Amino acid sequence: KNEVEQSPQNLTAQEGEFITINCSYSVGISALHWLQQHPGGGIVSLFMLSSGKKKHGRLIATINIQEKHSSLHITASHPRDSAVYICAVRSGGGSNYQLIWGAGTKLIIKP
Amino acid sequence: DAGVTQSPTHLIKTRGQQVTLRCSPKSGHDTVSWYQQALGQGPQFIFQYYEEEERQRGNFPDRFSGHQFPNYSSELNVNALLLGDSALYLCASSARRDKGNTEAFFGQGTRLTVV
Repeated sequence: KNEVEQSPQNLTAQEGEFITINCSYSVGISALHWLQQHPGGGIVSLFMLSSGKKKHGRLIATINIQEKHSSLHITASHPRDSAVYICAVRSGGGSNYQLIWGAGTKLIIKP
Repeated sequence: DAGVTQSPTHLIKTRGQQVTLRCSPKSGHDTVSWYQQALGQGPQFIFQYYEEEERQRGNFPDRFSGHQFPNYSSELNVNALLLGDSALYLCASSARRDKGNTEAFFGQGTRLTVV
């Protein structure tokens, strides 16, 4: 079993729909990242959170430390949101850490 | 601020050759991590550098080595290339603080093809 599990693996939705991507992890973490990767390969960090909820524009990320679960929500989705969304957890104490990555969720938003 | 920059963007090498990939961290960042992402897979941690020393290492053979320079930039070296080393190599930088590192920023990656 992978230490970081994402669902769904693939998601296709119509423009305007509310999108939810889930991430569950089984290891102790100091923080959790949500990242976006476009076909060219570059990765953009969307959120880093260790508790509660963060919001940036149409993106919302939540984390429940007790349940070891996080969700990424996209409101009013748009075709430009199409990308792979990756959950990665920061494992290791203090400043010597590594990221353990989920397999990613491929999101396609149709106009 | 140029963010994290990696070079080259694409590279083709022959089996058995050696390759050096380069990463310049975001301004103000002192910690550099390297990841390998095979096609269709999530990234795998290779190693992390801070104060010119390797601080943590993932499950990669000794053929993978690195270096960090006084200006915090870093190199990833891979010797005796195998076909399976073909992947996107990602560099991430962050800044070390008393309570842990800041958020990581990523470069665009170097796509290495071994033929």
